[in-house]
Amino acid sequence: QVQLQESGSGLVKPSETLYLTCDVSGASVGSAGFSWSWIRQPPGKGLEWIGYIYFDGVTTNYNPSLKNRVGISIDRFKNYFSLTLSSVTAADTAVYFCAGGGPGDAFDVWGQGTMVTVSS
Amino acid sequence: DIQMTQSPSTVSASLGDRVTITCRASQTISPWVAWYQQKPGKAPKLLIYQTSTLQRGVPSRFSASVSGTEFTLTISSLQPDDFATYYCQQYSTYLFGGGTKVDIK
Repeated sequence: QVQLQESGSGLVKPSETLYLTCDVSGASVGSAGFSWSWIRQPPGKGLEWIGYIYFDGVTTNYNPSLKNRVGISIDRFKNYFSLTLSSVTAADTAVYFCAGGGPGDAFDVWGQGTMVTVSS
Repeated sequence: DIQMTQSPSTVSASLGDRVTITCRASQTISPWVAWYQQKPGKAPKLLIYQTSTLQRGVPSRFSASVSGTEFTLTISSLQPDDFATYYCQQYSTYLFGGGTKVDIK
């Protein structure tokens, strides 16, 4: 059974870079047949897909509204994938979820989410 | 850009009611849409994938279908555990609909 767990800084200063990791257990991030995604949810609002990376560590796709600031990568040795979001503002305050599924498929496994607040 | 317009934003219903939630795509898209259920403070849970396939373990009172660019999630008989917010997601751009909160009438 695949399980995901987000971790990272819960407080980031404006203009700095947000960095989160998602530890994967029950599967290998580099195993064929998986894609790994990040989704966020501002307080009281809906879900916003941020982007995904395929198991190959090369194929990525990002939400056009965030494309210039976001990066997702995988670490096969430590078995996690990560999110970086640069030049953050208060609008980036949200619960950040990591999720997994098949390439081009729905997200059938989710982490519990981690709250990130952007504030000085 | 493709938009997924989800309606209604809120539906008030009673136990046993039939509830229908709709997502309308702004243009013809991938036929694949997923539906998720989210409860307060929790991660979303996958209910339906590939437009109408029930995820393992999801009760059969949940069903989904498509007609043209209109995707529909139906709860045939609302149960206490079903009060939650529901989101559609289409696979072309992975964008989510705005969500539908199902609350108690």
